[in-house]
Amino acid sequence: DGGITQSPKYLFRKEGQNVTLSCEQNLNHDAMYWYRQDPGQGLRLIYYSQIVNDFQKGDIAEGYSVSREKKESFPLTVTSAQKNPTAFYLCASSMRDRGLDEQFFGPGTRLTVL
Amino acid sequence: DAKTTQPPSMDCAEGRAANLPCNHSTISGNEYVYWYRQIHSQGPQYIIHGLKNNETNEMASLIITEDRKSSTLILPHATLRDTAVYYCIVRVFNAGNNRKLIWGLGTSLAVNP
Repeated sequence: DGGITQSPKYLFRKEGQNVTLSCEQNLNHDAMYWYRQDPGQGLRLIYYSQIVNDFQKGDIAEGYSVSREKKESFPLTVTSAQKNPTAFYLCASSMRDRGLDEQFFGPGTRLTVL
Repeated sequence: DAKTTQPPSMDCAEGRAANLPCNHSTISGNEYVYWYRQIHSQGPQYIIHGLKNNETNEMASLIITEDRKSSTLILPHATLRDTAVYYCIVRVFNAGNNRKLIWGLGTSLAVNP
């Protein structure tokens, strides 16, 4: 089955440690996105990539980094510079040239920094 | 900032139609309206989108007013599995002319037996 996978589902880290969240898709989508969701809030865009080896900052990119070395993969690193890293992180993908932006989401990773 | 406003919560009886309103009074002529829903602790799911005409698919109908300042998502026969947070979203173009979805706070719909 085609889809997006994120791992792990729950992640715990100590304050000051960097952590990398995984996102893989086998939908052959060109565009991939990372969002952050805080309790009772909508989604906020962290980074997005429309093509391999290219990515753009979203609205809240500070303290985060990404890479896009392969079409299928778009890992997100939460660095120690992120002041409030505890959140629900969602990865999504879409067809770049579809023009409709129907985004397909993964199940999310809930990160808790202790 | 979100370009949409929605009621924070609504209730609906199972089997009845659920009508979810959304205001987007500052929408521009080339900005689409999208609806997604999110079941608790899962990733959002696309429902439907439209520009100015009414749209229908297997999940829902989208009614957009003639002045495009508001819209209504209609779930014709709500089931318990439709209990979720429903987001009304405007797709805009950012400074780099890339498309971007502006997410609001959504409406928490509870479908009751």
